[in-house]
Amino acid sequence: QVQLQESGPGLVKPSQTLSLTCTVSGGSIGGGFYWSWIRQHPGKGLEWIGYIYYSGSTYYNPSLESRVIISVDTSKNQFSLKLRYVTAADTAVYYCAREDSSAYSWFDPWGQGILVTVSS
Amino acid sequence: SSELTQDPAVSVALGQTVRITCQGDNLRNYYASWSQQKPGQAPVLLIYAQNTRPSGIPDRFSGSRSGNTASLTITGTQAEDEADYYCNSRDNSGNHVVFGGGTKLTVL
Repeated sequence: QVQLQESGPGLVKPSQTLSLTCTVSGGSIGGGFYWSWIRQHPGKGLEWIGYIYYSGSTYYNPSLESRVIISVDTSKNQFSLKLRYVTAADTAVYYCAREDSSAYSWFDPWGQGILVTVSS
Repeated sequence: SSELTQDPAVSVALGQTVRITCQGDNLRNYYASWSQQKPGQAPVLLIYAQNTRPSGIPDRFSGSRSGNTASLTITGTQAEDEADYYCNSRDNSGNHVVFGGGTKLTVL
């Protein structure tokens, strides 16, 4: 059974880079799925950030694309998120999730989420 | 990009049937998936490929589509179904993902 776990700092200073890692266990990160980042601002809905395929190809939310980099390390079965030039508006719970790579776009499983606060 | 529109809040009496809708032009070309989120928890996949339930999801949850509107129907709603429900699909480019704004379901 595949499980995902986010890790990284819970506090980031404004203008700095938010860096998170998602570790995949119980299955390989290679082939057949997209590996995604999604965030949820406090009390708000879900916002798709982007995804990466094991080959390294990526797609990002156009509203975040200029600041986002998602990368993958197949040797460690991990993928990562970097969000540059953060502001208080980037304070959110960040989830990693496995996404079906077909036209259906479903997310399962999800990590438990990690709260990242942007504050000086 | 595309948008998915959901009613912010819906209520249902215990044991009754409720339909939660998700509207968007891209739904004419792409199926919606549905996830349930309870307070303080990560979302859980309920329905994908329009009307397929992952293992462990009760059969009181079902999905459908008509035109540009996808629906999640809960038949015989239970108290534990009180949660936020989100739809998502690919946008018209096929490369990006969009989420609906979420529907808060209250079970009376």
